[in-house]
Amino acid sequence: GAVVSQHPSWVICKSGTSVKIECRSLDFQATTMFWYRQFPKQSLMLMATSNEGSKATYEQGVEKDKFLINHASLTLSTLTVTSAHPEDSSFYICSAREDLYNEQFFGPGTRLTVL
Amino acid sequence: SQQGEEDPQALSIQEGENATMNCSYKTSINNLQWYRQNSGRGLVHLILIRSNEREKHSGRLRVTLDTSKKSSSLLITASRAADTASYFCATDEDQGGKLIFGQGTELSVKP
Repeated sequence: GAVVSQHPSWVICKSGTSVKIECRSLDFQATTMFWYRQFPKQSLMLMATSNEGSKATYEQGVEKDKFLINHASLTLSTLTVTSAHPEDSSFYICSAREDLYNEQFFGPGTRLTVL
Repeated sequence: SQQGEEDPQALSIQEGENATMNCSYKTSINNLQWYRQNSGRGLVHLILIRSNEREKHSGRLRVTLDTSKKSSSLLITASRAADTASYFCATDEDQGGKLIFGQGTELSVKP
């Protein structure tokens, strides 16, 4: 089956630093990828839709200058949390929508802890 | 934005019993999907039901969809301790792939 990887799987950083999270589709092309955030004991909240070669579309209430998304190739999207603060600590999950059949596959998630 | 609600929020049953989880949504959909998530892990896709389907089976899973009531249910039969996880429904509104997740049901199956 199609596989989506995320790197790193977990990261701990100091407040004020920036953290980059990668989402890769390993054996398929994905023009569209999605980024979700999940706080403990809560559901997934869609943050943004990442489109290869164009700007990401952010959901209402998500700061685009804080959560920078780059989708530079058909297999890679990155989410950079800039000037991270403890309230940004969360589980970040990406998904990739396979171009041929439009099936969507989820990555294993990245746990971010900001001290 | 969250699409809808799931109930119950938490469900505790004994192994061998059936577990039923419900999901309601607010807008028209193309399809509805159910996912499972073990604590701290990624999502596992369970089943997809299209808006023109009313019922679908996959192994011990049975999903129903009532578009007139904007609701779906997931039934897990003959539950096992390994079924312990959180279960989420997610709706796809516009074929763009953007999924809106329900609040989830935390299922605990006791051996």
